[in-house]
Amino acid sequence: ETGVTQTPRHLVMGMTNKKSLKCEQHLGHNAMYWYKQSAKKPLELMFVYNFKEQTENNSVPSRFSPECPNSSHLFLHLHTLQPEDSALYLCASSQDSGQLVNFGPGTRLLVL
Amino acid sequence: DQQVKQNSPSLSVQEGRISILNCDYTNSMFDYFLWYKKYPAEGPTFLISISSIKDKNEDGRFTVFLNKSAKHLSLHIVPSQPGDSAVYFCAASAYGAGGTSYGKLTFGQGTILTVHP
Repeated sequence: ETGVTQTPRHLVMGMTNKKSLKCEQHLGHNAMYWYKQSAKKPLELMFVYNFKEQTENNSVPSRFSPECPNSSHLFLHLHTLQPEDSALYLCASSQDSGQLVNFGPGTRLLVL
Repeated sequence: DQQVKQNSPSLSVQEGRISILNCDYTNSMFDYFLWYKKYPAEGPTFLISISSIKDKNEDGRFTVFLNKSAKHLSLHIVPSQPGDSAVYFCAASAYGAGGTSYGKLTFGQGTILTVHP
């Protein structure tokens, strides 16, 4: 596989569920990101990891918990989400000093 | 406070004509700008970028113009093709801020481009 992959592509969960989104990049990049796109809103940066270390948390609620075990994998653990958290969650990667950010296809999340 | 704005939610163009997508920004620290294209059910894909030291960058049918004094950039597609129909996002970053802003893109809301055959 090439580029940035995300699983699952679609997810429906209840407010009491726990689920995880997975992202893998095959580009040899060392920075990874979670972005969120809600309906009719711009993409918003959630988290930044550089060399597995979290360097940015953009005031994201604690019900979203990222994990970066290595520079190729990124997870977003979801717990007790709200319906307003329904959105497209996009993983991305880049070289640490690069401006070109490569996005995955996204996970479409619906919270009931 | 939205720092990057795309004020036209949609644009409809005839095949073969020019498409012009506009983007305005407010943060004077932004020094690198990108355009991404997004098809349904796919993630955004990089299209073209421009550094603040330039006012124009061209790649095939795509040209991006930057007017720093007006804090405005535009993407020109000529000639437009039906396959160009997608959502176009403008994004900006403040790379020069100690090199720590890499990948931290601020996006506009997007413009839906429809190119009619």
